[in-house]
Amino acid sequence: DTGVSQDPRHKITKRGQNVTFRCDPISEHNRLYWYRQTLGQGPEFLTYFQNEAQLEKSRLLSDRFSAERPKGSFSTLEIQRTEQGDSAMYLCASSQGPLGHGYTFGSGTRLTVV
Amino acid sequence: DAKTTQPPSMDCAEGRAANLPCNHSTISGNEYVYWYRQIHSQGPQYIIHGLKNNETNEMASLIITEDRKSSTLILPHATLRDTAVYYCIVRVEAGGTSYGKLTFGQGTILTVHP
Repeated sequence: DTGVSQDPRHKITKRGQNVTFRCDPISEHNRLYWYRQTLGQGPEFLTYFQNEAQLEKSRLLSDRFSAERPKGSFSTLEIQRTEQGDSAMYLCASSQGPLGHGYTFGSGTRLTVV
Repeated sequence: DAKTTQPPSMDCAEGRAANLPCNHSTISGNEYVYWYRQIHSQGPQYIIHGLKNNETNEMASLIITEDRKSSTLILPHATLRDTAVYYCIVRVEAGGTSYGKLTFGQGTILTVHP
């Protein structure tokens, strides 16, 4: 297992289009997190899955955002009707439990909305 | 989770020790101090964590003051590859209501120069 994989690495889309990102966590990790990071800021929590259950969503996750983890393995994050303010790095992380030292982050998907 | 305060940037000469401070004056008794770093174009990477005792691993040392209101991350022999944003995070461990999410601040940009 080579870590947390995210696809694509970069995405450029026109305003109003829908985009979907994929995250493949470390296989034995039951917890999966999505974060968003804008330039010069630290990552901000978006949502969390334990197995296939989405257990927490940030207020940052507007109704245009939806995340799934259908079989408790990979996860997708979809943004509908993208806006320029959605331009950011979207990071996925996974962990086996809640311990803060057990997180492994992917390299992220950089979204640019033009 | 308690809030942290870090200097926005620091410089360090290659081969010298880098000492990165963090203030967390409102830390609770059950909150741990974590350090992560983020190298350009990568996701954050766990470095070290501690509760009240000083800790050391292969990457760094963590010094926590006796009153636990501040801590220092020490990279004993900084290299150019240690240039990154360093995040100090405090959070409860398992059993808290945060589902294990990490709350990042803006961090400290450490630049190691030749």
